[in-house]
Amino acid sequence: DGGITQSPKYLFRKEGQNVTLSCEQNLNHDAMYWYRQDPGQGLRLIYYSQIVNDFQKGDIAEGYSVSREKKESFPLTVTSAQKNPTAFYLCASRTGQTDTQYFGPGTRLTVL
Amino acid sequence: QKEVEQNSGPLSVPEGAIASLNCTYSDRGSQSFFWYRQYSGKSPELIMFIYSNGDKEDGRFTAQLNKASQYVSLLIRDSQPSDSATYLCAVNPSLLGATNKLIFGTGTLLAVQP
Repeated sequence: DGGITQSPKYLFRKEGQNVTLSCEQNLNHDAMYWYRQDPGQGLRLIYYSQIVNDFQKGDIAEGYSVSREKKESFPLTVTSAQKNPTAFYLCASRTGQTDTQYFGPGTRLTVL
Repeated sequence: QKEVEQNSGPLSVPEGAIASLNCTYSDRGSQSFFWYRQYSGKSPELIMFIYSNGDKEDGRFTAQLNKASQYVSLLIRDSQPSDSATYLCAVNPSLLGATNKLIFGTGTLLAVQP
């Protein structure tokens, strides 16, 4: 089955910890995106990558880091510098030919 | 700051009725428009996209785009309780260098009453 997978589904973080969220796609999509969703707010773009080994900051990149070493993978690290990380994190991807983005199932991060 | 506005709802309609969801956007140069459905606790799933003025139909769903008035709407005919979800409008802005970055509205909660 082709698709986008995210793991884990639920993640709990203690204060001061860094955590990494996984996003993998086997759709051969060129571009990948990370969004954050908070209750009552729209999706906000954290980082995006249009090709391997290249990525750009989105609107709320502070406290986050990413890498794009393989076309299939775009992991997101939530660092201790992110002061309010509790949220629903969504990974998306698209082909190079269209601007339609497709989403993975999401990771719900909670800070204890 | 480019914006996409939606009424948060809830929009309540009886089963079998037509649900009309609206979205306005601020960037007059926007070229592509998307509707996603998001069930509670789940990720958004694409329903439709539209690029040209007018209507685009897909089953019970019709997207309508009016670039002059800067609004896009989604009509759901014969609404079913399973259509109850939050509907997100997304717009691809026209800024040079902002290639394929979608701007999302906050979503409209639709409740279809049996």
